[in-house]
Amino acid sequence: AQTVTQSQPEMSVQEAETVTLSCTYDTSESNYYLFWYKQPPSRQMILVIRQEAYKQQNATENRFSVNFQKAAKSFSLKISDSQLGDTAMYFCAFMKLATGTASKLTFGTGTRLQVTL
Amino acid sequence: DAGVTQSPTHLIKTRGQQVTLRCSPKSGHDTVSWYQQALGQGPQFIFQYYEEEERQRGNFPDRFSGHQFPNYSSELNVNALLLGDSALYLCASSLFGGGAGELFFGEGSRLTVL
Repeated sequence: AQTVTQSQPEMSVQEAETVTLSCTYDTSESNYYLFWYKQPPSRQMILVIRQEAYKQQNATENRFSVNFQKAAKSFSLKISDSQLGDTAMYFCAFMKLATGTASKLTFGTGTRLQVTL
Repeated sequence: DAGVTQSPTHLIKTRGQQVTLRCSPKSGHDTVSWYQQALGQGPQFIFQYYEEEERQRGNFPDRFSGHQFPNYSSELNVNALLLGDSALYLCASSLFGGGAGELFFGEGSRLTVL
């Protein structure tokens, strides 16, 4: 079974600054994906960024980037130039890659990010 | 293009009652998964439906059951409600065999059990 751990329950950052959210995971799988999801007060889970485990290059999406350390089983999210609209719960999630099926997500407990003026 | 829609958005039940939650997947998607998100926690996988059959199941008791219809929409049923069933229930749709194709989530149904 996979586990995902987010050790920072809450974080705060000032607008335009950079913040890093931490995530570690445990798995015996070799083929998997890692995700960061954002859940604003509207409750809808929104995909922020995805990383394929077989890719050494860290994924980036505009102001969002990850630091993927496969050997350490670490997957942190960096948000640059933070904006008020980034205020939300952020969840790290794991998905085992399995052909011929639609896999399930295993989530961490989340980090509440508050962006302040 | 309609995304994932869920109903109802909020509901209140009492212990022992039964509840049915509904989900319509994103257009073009054929697989529906259900997650339970307790307050202050991350979502936990309940089960997944494809071709009207349960394909995967998480660690949830038989009180939790589901159904998928020919149009790919789905229902989640919970019998004999307990206080601990109070949570946000999220539906996610995807394509079967899509590997790590993105899951699209609805806004959830907030269930309160009194």
